[in-house]
Amino acid sequence: GAVVSQHPSWVICKSGTSVKIECRSLDFQATTMFWYRQFPKQSLMLMATSNEGSKATYEQGVEKDKFLINHASLTLSTLTVTSAHPEDSSFYICSANSLAALQTTYNEQFFGPGTRLTVL
Amino acid sequence: KQEVTQIPAALSVPEGENLVLNCSFTDSAIYNLQWFRQDPGKGLTSLLLIQSSQREQTSGRLNASLDKSSGRSTLYIAASQPGDSATYLCAVRDNFNKFYFGSGTKLNVKP
Repeated sequence: GAVVSQHPSWVICKSGTSVKIECRSLDFQATTMFWYRQFPKQSLMLMATSNEGSKATYEQGVEKDKFLINHASLTLSTLTVTSAHPEDSSFYICSANSLAALQTTYNEQFFGPGTRLTVL
Repeated sequence: KQEVTQIPAALSVPEGENLVLNCSFTDSAIYNLQWFRQDPGKGLTSLLLIQSSQREQTSGRLNASLDKSSGRSTLYIAASQPGDSATYLCAVRDNFNKFYFGSGTKLNVKP
């Protein structure tokens, strides 16, 4: 199946700094990517939908000024956690939708391996 | 808003047992339903994907069923092995490509 990568896989930062997480579709183009976060022992919650060439759409309760999303190309979306605080520590996972991914006939969505953010 | 519930939250079984994990969802207007496996501290591994028009999918020892009208899906694992120990997540995808995840079933298969 198609591959989605994330970088970095883990990051530790000090409170107040900003952290950028990249999500790349490696062998297909993705006009839409999604960002999720998962707190310890909880399930994944959708944060925002990233649209190539336009503004992201945020879910209710997610601060758009704190979680900046940029989808500048058909293979890359970035999530920047601005002025991170310890409560932002979480596992961030992206997914990408492909209509032309290899060996797929069902418009399958593919998930990245996740980025673990720890804010001290 | 779509809500996905998984029962049980945790399950511990001896090796070799057949087991069933349950998933229910509140809105039957789904695009598809997917079962994932998540190992501790890791990302998601897709196990089975069932389109809204399908009733079940099988892969090896895994079988997933879907009853869209009643808002239910089950994941059947045959002849469980210690390597099956993980958290199993059920997720429904709506017609806007958004996924809604259940809280997961943490499975422990004892040798």
